[in-house]
Amino acid sequence: QKEVEQDPGPLSVPEGAIVSLNCTYSNSAFQYFMWYRQYSRKGPELLMYTYSSGNKEDGRFTAQVDKSSKYISLFIRDSQPSDSATYLCAIAGVQGAQKLVFGQGTRLTINP
Amino acid sequence: DTAVSQTPKYLVTQMGNDKSIKCEQNLGHDTMYWYKQDSKKFLKIMFSYNNKELIINETVPNRFSPKSPDKAHLNLHINSLELGDSAVYFCASSPRLAANNEQFFGPGTRLTVL
Repeated sequence: QKEVEQDPGPLSVPEGAIVSLNCTYSNSAFQYFMWYRQYSRKGPELLMYTYSSGNKEDGRFTAQVDKSSKYISLFIRDSQPSDSATYLCAIAGVQGAQKLVFGQGTRLTINP
Repeated sequence: DTAVSQTPKYLVTQMGNDKSIKCEQNLGHDTMYWYKQDSKKFLKIMFSYNNKELIINETVPNRFSPKSPDKAHLNLHINSLELGDSAVYFCASSPRLAANNEQFFGPGTRLTVL
C-alpha cells in the first residue's frame, strides 16, 4: 500500500463549478498536510498548508483534514480556467519530519 | 529574480553518457532537495542536504551523486545514464530542515535518455 494515494484524474469541470480533490494516507503519524499546485512545465508551488485536523480557508480554496479517516481534501469554489493545473497533496510528520511524501497529483481542467 | 534556478532546462543524451544538472537558490535557505518526477507525475525525493550535509538519501542508484559546494548550490551528477532515468528532475529549497517548511521548487530539468 502506498503511503499516499491520490486519484490522478484527469478531472474536467465547467468554469464556476466547485471542485473537490482528495487524498488518503496510510500512516496515522502524519501531522502536516499540504497542497501544491503545478502548472504545466513548471515546478510545484505551495497552495495550502494545514497542521493536524480541521479546515483552513484561503480565498476560494479550502483545505480539510480528517485524521480519523486519514483523508484530506482541497475544495475550490467558483473555479476559474486559471485553476487548471495538477494538484499534488503532500504529507509529512514521520521519521523526524524531514521528508515530504507526495501523492501522484490530480490533473484538473476548468473549461470556460 | 529567480528564487530557485536549474540548468539546463532540457537535456537529451544517449544511454551510457554521464551528465550533470546544476541548481542554485538565492533565498538564503539552509536545506536543498532533489526530486524526480516520472511520466505519471509521481514526485519522489532523492536527496536532501542541510548546510552542505547530506541528510536524506533515498534508495537511489549510486550512479546518482549529489554535491553541495555551498548551501546555495546543489548539483546532481548522473553516471552511465539509462532509459529509466528519463524524467523531470526538480531542485527545491526550504528555510530549514523540517518537512513542514514550505519548499520552493525550481522550473525542472527535463532529461530524455535515448
